[in-house]
Amino acid sequence: GAGVSQSPRYKVAKRGQDVALRCDPISGHVSLFWYQQALGQGPEFLTYFQNEAQLDKSGLPSDRFFAERPEGSVSTLKIQRTQQEDSAVYLCASSPGDWSLSGTDTQYFGPGTRLTVL
Amino acid sequence: AQSVSQHNHHVILSEAASLELGCNYSYGGTVNLFWYVQYPGQHLQLLLKYFSGDPLVKGIKGFEAEFIKSKFSFNLRKPSVQWSDTAEYFCAVPRGDSNYQLIWGAGTKLIIKP
Repeated sequence: GAGVSQSPRYKVAKRGQDVALRCDPISGHVSLFWYQQALGQGPEFLTYFQNEAQLDKSGLPSDRFFAERPEGSVSTLKIQRTQQEDSAVYLCASSPGDWSLSGTDTQYFGPGTRLTVL
Repeated sequence: AQSVSQHNHHVILSEAASLELGCNYSYGGTVNLFWYVQYPGQHLQLLLKYFSGDPLVKGIKGFEAEFIKSKFSFNLRKPSVQWSDTAEYFCAVPRGDSNYQLIWGAGTKLIIKP
């Protein structure tokens, strides 16, 4: 497809379950971002990949959150032992160039995964 | 650390009214500034951005924004809104101490009455 896709679109988990959220960026895009968006708030940065390298993971809220992009394309955000405060929309965005060089490239967003933890 | 304020969380206007949405940031260094928009049922998409040059930036669908360095502002404007401008608008700026992180405002929900 032409845009960023994410799956699943909706995920309901019981507290304590592990979840995995997938992001398919635009083909050839170097940069990939994960964001968390709580209800009524703007996106909050979680982590950044340049190809397969995770260059910044300082936004991950706890060690229960883990992200990977092993081949520099598809990325997975994994949340272990989910808690109610993890309920949010998780957004993935990709960008064509190395964002660290200029920080001016457009970020192309996916539709997000809405995670609800009961 | 950088912070971003969008003063209006909800704005309701009639068609043909003029629009100005406020965005203020705290970090005074060189900044790149973004406005993103999310139309109902659609993904976040770039509306316009500033990184150098003319402080008056024009974007898609007749929107423009003016970077005023002395006021740490990047307000979004449109002279005459349409019903199709109903959307949520987000301002974003780089964190300042990170090359990768954007700090986002809380968003402004704009409703245009037909």
